[in-house]
Amino acid sequence: EPEVTQTPSHQVTQMGQEVILRCVPISNHLYFYWYRQILGQKVEFLVSFYNNEISEKSEIFDDQFSVERPDGSNFTLKIRSTKLEDSAMYFCASTGPAGTGELFFGEGSRLTVL
Amino acid sequence: QKEVEQNSGPLSVPEGAIASLNCTYSDRVSQSFFWYRQYSGKSPELIMSIYSNGDKEDGRFTAQLNKASQYVSLLIRDSQPSDSATYLCAVRPGSGGYQKVTFGTGTKLQVIP
Repeated sequence: EPEVTQTPSHQVTQMGQEVILRCVPISNHLYFYWYRQILGQKVEFLVSFYNNEISEKSEIFDDQFSVERPDGSNFTLKIRSTKLEDSAMYFCASTGPAGTGELFFGEGSRLTVL
Repeated sequence: QKEVEQNSGPLSVPEGAIASLNCTYSDRVSQSFFWYRQYSGKSPELIMSIYSNGDKEDGRFTAQLNKASQYVSLLIRDSQPSDSATYLCAVRPGSGGYQKVTFGTGTKLQVIP
């Protein structure tokens, strides 16, 4: 069964460092998303991406965050200068061509900022 | 602020019983509704989607939607210990594929053998 893959599974970084989280969405999917979940809290929307541009972003997704799809398969989330409060699980998700909103999530990348 | 509200639980049911999970949402224009299951330390997994009023059944799961009351529920029949997880209700305002899905905080379900 096709799946969304994410790397790394866990990253530990120092405050102020840049981090790039990578995702390979399901191959025929067109809509891509990043969500995050702080430990013990709810899954929060960060950004949606379609046709090589940001479709929608939340207030969490400030100038420190960026996304891109550098080639036909990878979808990346960059955090330019990490803060302690960026520590969370980051989930990549994708939706198929019909755009039903049924999200298929990757396993997540746990980011720990020290 | 568009909200999705769930009782955090835990909801404890004996094995074989029916588990009933409830969710309310604040945005009246919401069109798409989803239930996800999340095991501890894992990613959310889609269980059901529902788009129109009424019931939708899939195996042991039944989703119920009442847009007038802004209420969504999930029934799990013949609950099994493997159903023990956090169940997330999620809502989307419309039909555009790019539109964000908003999640509730989840209800933790414990199925007691």
